[in-house]
Amino acid sequence: EAGVAQSPRYKIIEKRQSVAFWCNPISGHATLYWYQQILGQGPKLLIQFQNNGVVDDSQLPKDRFSAERLKGVDSTLKIQPAKLEDSAVYLCASSLTGRRGGETQYFGPGTRLLVL
Amino acid sequence: GENVEQHPSTLSVQEGDSAVIKCTYSDSASNYFPWYKQELGKRPQLIIDIRSNVGEKKDQRIAVTLNKTAKHFSLHITETQPEDSAVYFCAASRNFGNEKLTFGTGTRLTIIP
Repeated sequence: EAGVAQSPRYKIIEKRQSVAFWCNPISGHATLYWYQQILGQGPKLLIQFQNNGVVDDSQLPKDRFSAERLKGVDSTLKIQPAKLEDSAVYLCASSLTGRRGGETQYFGPGTRLLVL
Repeated sequence: GENVEQHPSTLSVQEGDSAVIKCTYSDSASNYFPWYKQELGKRPQLIIDIRSNVGEKKDQRIAVTLNKTAKHFSLHITETQPEDSAVYFCAASRNFGNEKLTFGTGTRLTIIP
């Protein structure tokens, strides 16, 4: 089966600019996650969607980050304006959810963001 | 919220020897514990997971043990090979994985040929 797709793979922007990332989950996966992975650290959840509803966005810096999952499939994550500390890899993951064995989160290749 | 601690941060073992990575968690409601392997510049990939109703799980050279009382779980890799070199992350989740994963800080494992 096709994996989680993300684009772009790399992005370099200057601080205060805006940027958007796109994710296409595995077909049929109801749950989609966006994680931020700062160099040398484990991934940290930013937002979790189930279908097109938000389940958990408690760690999303809402003053600058936004995300949507229209029609319960693809998702976009936006940062506006970007700060230097936003430099990280942004990982999208998806899972089936609701079925035994459906809890496995499959990760995309990530978008590596560098803010100068 | 959940806090996952992982040790050691780096580990070097001779090829063929065993490697053990340990994690502790704080949330007694966590009941799903996956381990991910991340090679340089690549995506995290699940290598093994365990649910709280099981104490141990094995898949070929990889095993995971869970001690719910102590809130402690470990990854064991036997007969290590050069391709085992990577960063390994433990994680914990509630609702049998249908909620967010809280990751440890990672262990960089190097296998010395």
